[in-house]
Amino acid sequence: DARVTQTPRHKVTEMGQEVTMRCQPILGHNTVFWYRQTMMQGLELLAYFRNRAPLDDSGMPKDRFSAEMPDATLATLKIQPSEPRDSAVYFCASSGGQETQYFGPGTRLLVL
Amino acid sequence: AQSVAQPEDQVNVAEGNPLTVKCTYSVSGNPYLFWYVQYPNRGLQFLLKYITGDNLVKGSYGFEAEFNKSQTSFHLKKPSALVSDSALYFCAVRDNDQKVTFGTGTKLQVIP
Repeated sequence: DARVTQTPRHKVTEMGQEVTMRCQPILGHNTVFWYRQTMMQGLELLAYFRNRAPLDDSGMPKDRFSAEMPDATLATLKIQPSEPRDSAVYFCASSGGQETQYFGPGTRLLVL
Repeated sequence: AQSVAQPEDQVNVAEGNPLTVKCTYSVSGNPYLFWYVQYPNRGLQFLLKYITGDNLVKGSYGFEAEFNKSQTSFHLKKPSALVSDSALYFCAVRDNDQKVTFGTGTKLQVIP
């Protein structure tokens, strides 16, 4: 049963620290998305990649967030330095040629 | 720019009654429309999609959605609600670049 995996599932850190979240898309999927979900803002698209190339990162705060795909099996989202307002659940999703997105379980981030 | 509206923050329905969760959309060109469900502390799960063809789309767990081009709507329906259907439901629309815009979500509460 192929699924998207994300690590860590939970992260508590202090303001100013670097946070790295990892995502393993479903094997063979060529498009990877990063979302952030909060009660106030709902689900926000941060960035997405196709064939490892960034297509759109307009939803991402450029000064502190960065997203990369070092290879086809790994996507990373980094926050440096982290701030309390970054506290949220971060989801990774992947899709192949059928448009449907498959979501990972999320990383629940708390920045103190 | 494409957009999706879910006018109801919450829908309450008695178990066994039919349910409808509303969604309207705006997109240039042919719409690609989706419904996803999110259970507590989980990622979003795909329910169904409309790409082309029949206006009534059948999906997982007995859900279906009716595409209405003239009203630009894509309402989610189920003939008989279950308590286990209680969750957060998201409507989404996709553009030609595979970028997906999600609605704000509707919380469905099925009352025993």
